[in-house]
Amino acid sequence: DADVTQTPRNRITKTGKRIMLECSQTKGHDRMYWYRQDPGLGLRLIYYSFDVKDINKGEISDGYSVSRQAQAKFSLSLESAIPNQTALYFCATSGTSGGGSNTGELFFGEGSRLTVL
Amino acid sequence: AQSVTQPDIHITVSEGASLELRCNYSYGATPYLFWYVQSPGQGLQLLLKYFSGDTLVQGIKGFEAEFKRSQSSFNLRKPSVHWSDAAEYFCAVDTGGYNKLIFGAGTRLAVHP
Repeated sequence: DADVTQTPRNRITKTGKRIMLECSQTKGHDRMYWYRQDPGLGLRLIYYSFDVKDINKGEISDGYSVSRQAQAKFSLSLESAIPNQTALYFCATSGTSGGGSNTGELFFGEGSRLTVL
Repeated sequence: AQSVTQPDIHITVSEGASLELRCNYSYGATPYLFWYVQSPGQGLQLLLKYFSGDTLVQGIKGFEAEFKRSQSSFNLRKPSVHWSDAAEYFCAVDTGGYNKLIFGAGTRLAVHP
């Protein structure tokens, strides 16, 4: 099983609908992130969370909200989806190594492809 | 603002040929630097990273990268490309040390047999 699991993997919806993308991880990491990937733009940070009580906006948070339900779960919501939110969304985690230092590496899920018609 | 530039959107090489993917960053100090690879339909996987020390870093799958402070560059290289290396490659920087990575737009690599 994957260490970082995203559901759904694919979703087609209509303008104005509410959508939730879910992410769960079994890596025991405290930090979780949501990124959006668009062709020619790379990945851009939407929200990040360093622990359950710590939620922060990223570069492109407008139109999105998140919930950190537990250390292992981090959900991304689009309250009213619009076509320019059509993209590939990635959840990622990071944490410390056994010695306690941050390794700097992000571990990514396989992505959730969202199409808004 | 910090930024990452990958000048080449697409690169095509023949199998067995050498490869160099370019990455330039804009930041006043030395950031943490990363290269990730994304295979079709997959998430991103870390190839290598540079935090400090030796400016030539080795990664997985035979890749290496060299940090050049004077050129604000962190180019990725591989001496002999395999067909399985066809993927999209992303350079990224972390300027705050909180794993909030800034990614380049990516370079898509095609490998001809």
